[in-house]
Amino acid sequence: KAGVTQTPRYLIKTRGQQVTLSCSPISGHRSVSWYQQTPGQGLQFLFEYFSETQRNKGNFPGRFSGRQFSNSRSEMNVSTLELGDSALYLCASSRGGQAETQYFGPGTRLLVL
Amino acid sequence: QKEVEQDPGPLSVPEGAIVSLNCTYSNSAFQYFMWYRQYSRKGPELLMYTYSSGNKEDGRFTAQVDKSSKYISLFIRDSQPSDSATYLCAMGTGTASKLTFGTGTRLQVTL
Repeated sequence: KAGVTQTPRYLIKTRGQQVTLSCSPISGHRSVSWYQQTPGQGLQFLFEYFSETQRNKGNFPGRFSGRQFSNSRSEMNVSTLELGDSALYLCASSRGGQAETQYFGPGTRLLVL
Repeated sequence: QKEVEQDPGPLSVPEGAIVSLNCTYSNSAFQYFMWYRQYSRKGPELLMYTYSSGNKEDGRFTAQVDKSSKYISLFIRDSQPSDSATYLCAMGTGTASKLTFGTGTRLQVTL
């Protein structure tokens, strides 16, 4: 069974631009969660989508948004990029039930200049 | 104060040593606990998942949970250079998919 895939793997943007990251979950998984990983803050939860609906949300500004498609693939968008948005963005998929194991993709490394 | 505290290390041990990695937490709502391993420039890989207090063993790895003390541990026996990575503890409440992570402990196993 194929794992979680994320595209692109690396991205360089400038301040003020926007970016869209993509995540394809493991086949059969209906939940996709997004996390931001930085050296200073570690892994922080952004949001979770389940059956095309945002089910949980972390404490990030509204510049961070996402969506999920009917095939469970998810996209994350960051508008008006700031230098501090430079991070590894990870998505994780699970079947969606309570306390389900989450499996992570390799991440998209975003550098904002 | 962070909900989950984890010593960042780095922790350096010789090959063959027993490694002990620990996390403490403050939120008593956490019901399930995981350990992930993350190699440089890779995504976290699940090592252990536990839902109750006590020990769980899988090969060279043992996860220990003490809910009364809000303390979890991961033991690695016969450590190998390939175990060199960052180890992240993660916790969930069971009512939401959000995981709360420790900052990770960087482990170096030397020959």
